[in-house]
Amino acid sequence: DVKVTQSSRYLVKRTGEKVFLECVQDMDHENMFWYRQDPGLGLRLIYFSYDVKMKEKGDIPEGYSVSREKKERFSLILESASTNQTSMYLCASNDYRLAYEQYFGPGTRLTVT
Amino acid sequence: GESVGLHLPTLSVQEGDNSIINCAYSNSASDYFIWYKQESGKGPQFIIDIRSNMDKRQGQRVTVLLNKTVKHLSLQIAATQPGDSAVYFCAETRDNQGGKLIFGQGTELSVKP
Repeated sequence: DVKVTQSSRYLVKRTGEKVFLECVQDMDHENMFWYRQDPGLGLRLIYFSYDVKMKEKGDIPEGYSVSREKKERFSLILESASTNQTSMYLCASNDYRLAYEQYFGPGTRLTVT
Repeated sequence: GESVGLHLPTLSVQEGDNSIINCAYSNSASDYFIWYKQESGKGPQFIIDIRSNMDKRQGQRVTVLLNKTVKHLSLQIAATQPGDSAVYFCAETRDNQGGKLIFGQGTELSVKP
C-alpha cells in the first residue's frame, strides 16, 4: 500500500513566521505535488516535482517555495506566512509511467494568525 | 469545470437510493479521468478511473460514464450508504502532462439514514 505522510495534521503560526510543511512517500514515486484546498475552490496546485532537485510551478506558487533533496521527501516552505495562506495543504505523489492516479496524504490544516 | 464560487454543489440522497454525481470537464483533449472521494478530515482517495477511449467503466457499487461529445463525466453509486457521505472530485489529465491532474471543485454527497 502506498503511504503518503505529512508532518503535522494541524499547525498554528503567526504572520511573518517561516513555515515548513513536510511530506514523505514510501513508494519510490518520481512525482510529488503540493496542493492547497479551500472551500468551493477545489484543489489548486502550488508546486510539482518530477525528480530530486527538480520543480515546476503550479497554478498558485506566489508566496511559496519547495525543496526536494531526496526522492521520498518534498517540503513546502512559506517564507513569511500571511493570513491568506490559512488553508488545508495536501501532498500527493504518483509514478505517471505506471498510473496517473495520485496518492494523497491526510493533509495539514494551517492557520496563520 | 463545475460551479464557480465558494459553495460546493451538494447532493442529498436517502440511504439505499442510487446517487449520480456529475462533472463537466474542461479539456476535450483529456485522455484520462479519475474520481476521488474525500471524507471529512482526510485526503482524497481514488475511487475509479476511465480512459477517453471508453464510455463506461464499472467497479464495486460504482460506475463512471464518459460523454466526450458534451465533455461530461458522471459517477453513479448504487445503493448509497451513510459511509458514502463525502466530497467527490473529478480529475482529468492528458498523456503528455507528466502525471499532473486538473481537479474539479467537488460535489458534497450527504446520505440521509
